Amino acid sequence: QKEVEQDPGPLSVPEGAIVSLNCTYSNSAFQYFMWYRQYSRKGPELLMYTYSSGNKEDGRFTAQVDKSSKYISLFIRDSQPSDSATYLCAMSYSNSGYALNFGKGTSLLVTP
Amino acid sequence: DADVTQTPRNRITKTGKRIMLECSQTKGHDRMYWYRQDPGLGLRLIYYSFDVKDINKGEISDGYSVSRQAQAKFSLSLESAIPNQTALYFCATSDSRAYQPQHFGDGTRLSIL
Repeated sequence: QKEVEQDPGPLSVPEGAIVSLNCTYSNSAFQYFMWYRQYSRKGPELLMYTYSSGNKEDGRFTAQVDKSSKYISLFIRDSQPSDSATYLCAMSYSNSGYALNFGKGTSLLVTP
Repeated sequence: DADVTQTPRNRITKTGKRIMLECSQTKGHDRMYWYRQDPGLGLRLIYYSFDVKDINKGEISDGYSVSRQAQAKFSLSLESAIPNQTALYFCATSDSRAYQPQHFGDGTRLSIL
């Protein structure tokens, strides 16, 4: 079983919708949680970075971590066509040398 | 200009050839990483380096080698390329202070025939 699981989608929503993206993980030692956005033919771009459980908000994006359930989420409010991309969750723990464990990514399409 | 620059952006080569992918950064970060990305498998770590004298194997290092020529430069080599090394390769960097997230280049698309 891979340590980080993420539904690959694709997920298609109309413009303006609230998008919910999720990852589950099996290793309770993970402490640092990130969301990256990747456009076609580009590298992953850091969106959100959190440490420990709780919520973090940045503009239209909210990252949520539930360590008791080993579950993280990214919410996108008022979604725009420019949000169409692949979203990757990633996580790490200090003993790993800060190497990141990635989910496989969820493909999101926001239609006008 | 990009903070993390990878060259070449695209490369097509033949089985058995030696290939070098290069990464340079202007972010001043000590830590550098090489990942490969395959459809359905996500991003997997090949090698990482915490400073010029420190090189560590990642999850899938077999068939690859690296060289950290300077703080700002980290190259990945395929000594004898094989078709299943066809993938997208990404370089990333991070600061050495208490955990800092990684920042990625735009990748090299490598095809081995």
